[in-house]
Amino acid sequence: DQQVKQNSPSLSVQEGRISILNCDYTNSMFDYFLWYKKYPAEGPTFLISISSIKDKNEDGRFTVFLNKSAKHLSLHIVPSQPGDSAVYFCAASEETSGSRLTFGEGTQLTVNP
Amino acid sequence: GAGVSQSPSNKVTEKGKDVELRCDPISGHTALYWYRQSLGQGLEFLIYFQGNSAPDKSGLPSDRFSAERTGGSVSTLTIQRTQQEDSAVYLCASSFAAHSYEQYFGPGTRLTVT
Repeated sequence: DQQVKQNSPSLSVQEGRISILNCDYTNSMFDYFLWYKKYPAEGPTFLISISSIKDKNEDGRFTVFLNKSAKHLSLHIVPSQPGDSAVYFCAASEETSGSRLTFGEGTQLTVNP
Repeated sequence: GAGVSQSPSNKVTEKGKDVELRCDPISGHTALYWYRQSLGQGLEFLIYFQGNSAPDKSGLPSDRFSAERTGGSVSTLTIQRTQQEDSAVYLCASSFAAHSYEQYFGPGTRLTVT
């Protein structure tokens, strides 16, 4: 079963506007959530994370929001830049499983100049 | 460089042959992970090492898959009697400690089984 889902395979936004990427999860034991960015032919790179004890974490242009009751998190990028064009993966982990990450399918973000 | 490296970057093999994929983690990182990404899918966890031991092998899809880590550093993932469904990008990641969630990924090995 897919415990982490990213329902939008792609998203296209204009440069300077906000990008919102969404992620839903089903496992209530997940207690840590991460976003990774992936360029073609490269491995994913860590972007931002949030613990389940928080509902928001901000780092520069990137903000992650967590809604535990809805089992939903989102990544906001503002303002979006063409260099942000990449595949974004949502990932989750639970303390009892050690450090294994469960990933969503990814969302291809395209930021148009 | 100081990042995670993987070799080979690409591997084409015939069905039924064995393959070995190698991962060099970031120096000093005690935890090492293998994932794979099939076409159009997210990353799927395979196995995790803490030092040279593997506390979690639950993601290995069959007994044709095995992995080892020696000296707390280099790891090899071996796939025996490869099948076409093994075709994927195999990604290795490392982290400073076992419960450090921020994992650093290598560029991956693209395996194609013909």
